[in-house]
Amino acid sequence: GAVVSQHPSWVICKSGTSVKIECRSLDFQATTMFWYRQFPKQSLMLMATSNEGSKATYEQGVEKDKFLINHASLTLSTLTVTSAHPEDSSFYICSAQGTLETQYFGPGTRLLVL
Amino acid sequence: GQNIDQPTEMTATEGAIVQINCTYQTSGFNGLFWYQQHAGEAPTFLSYNVLDGLEEKGRFSSFLSRSKGYSYLLLKELQMKDSASYLCAVLAGKLIFGQGTELSVKP
Repeated sequence: GAVVSQHPSWVICKSGTSVKIECRSLDFQATTMFWYRQFPKQSLMLMATSNEGSKATYEQGVEKDKFLINHASLTLSTLTVTSAHPEDSSFYICSAQGTLETQYFGPGTRLLVL
Repeated sequence: GQNIDQPTEMTATEGAIVQINCTYQTSGFNGLFWYQQHAGEAPTFLSYNVLDGLEEKGRFSSFLSRSKGYSYLLLKELQMKDSASYLCAVLAGKLIFGQGTELSVKP
C-alpha cells in the first residue's frame, strides 16, 4: 500500500518551455501533497504544499507564478515549471500524506533544461 | 531557526551494526521520520517516532528522546544493499530534512 507515482521520470527540454509533472497516489486518497526539489548532494527542500480543492502554499523564495501547482482531485497533483531555465534543472519529488502524517514519496522526476 | 544535524557519512562492514544519530532544534515537533534514499531515487519511509522510546521494525530500529532533541536509527545485520543515504526529518508544521548520512557498507 501507499504507492505514489510520478510522470514523467525524465524530462529534457529547451530553455523557455514549460514542463508539467504529475503526481498520483495510486492506492490511497491524499488531501495533501507536497512538492520538493533536490539538488545533487543536498537534501530535499520543500517547495510547496498542495491541498485538494484549494490554492497551494508556497515556501519562502519559491515563485508561485513560475511553479504552478494544481491539486484537482484526491489522487492527483501537478507541478508545471513555466518558462524553464537551466537553473531549474533538478530532481523534483512529490509526496502524498497518508496516515499518521507519514509522507510517501514518488519516484521523482529528473528535469534537465538546456 | 530550524536545525537538524546528522553525520555526513559513515562506513560499516557487512553483517555489523551501525547507529546513525540525529539531533534537532526546531520550533515545534510533531514527530520524527527516518527515510532511506538510494542514489538517484526518491526516499522510502523507514520509521516514525512521536513518543520517546525505541521502535523496532525488523533489522531497523529508531529511537527518540524529545527532551534531548535526539534520535538514532539502528541498522542490524548490515547488507550491501543498505548502502544509501539516510535522512532524518522532523515534522514541525512541515517536514524538515537533515542533510542525510551517506552510509557505505563494505564486504
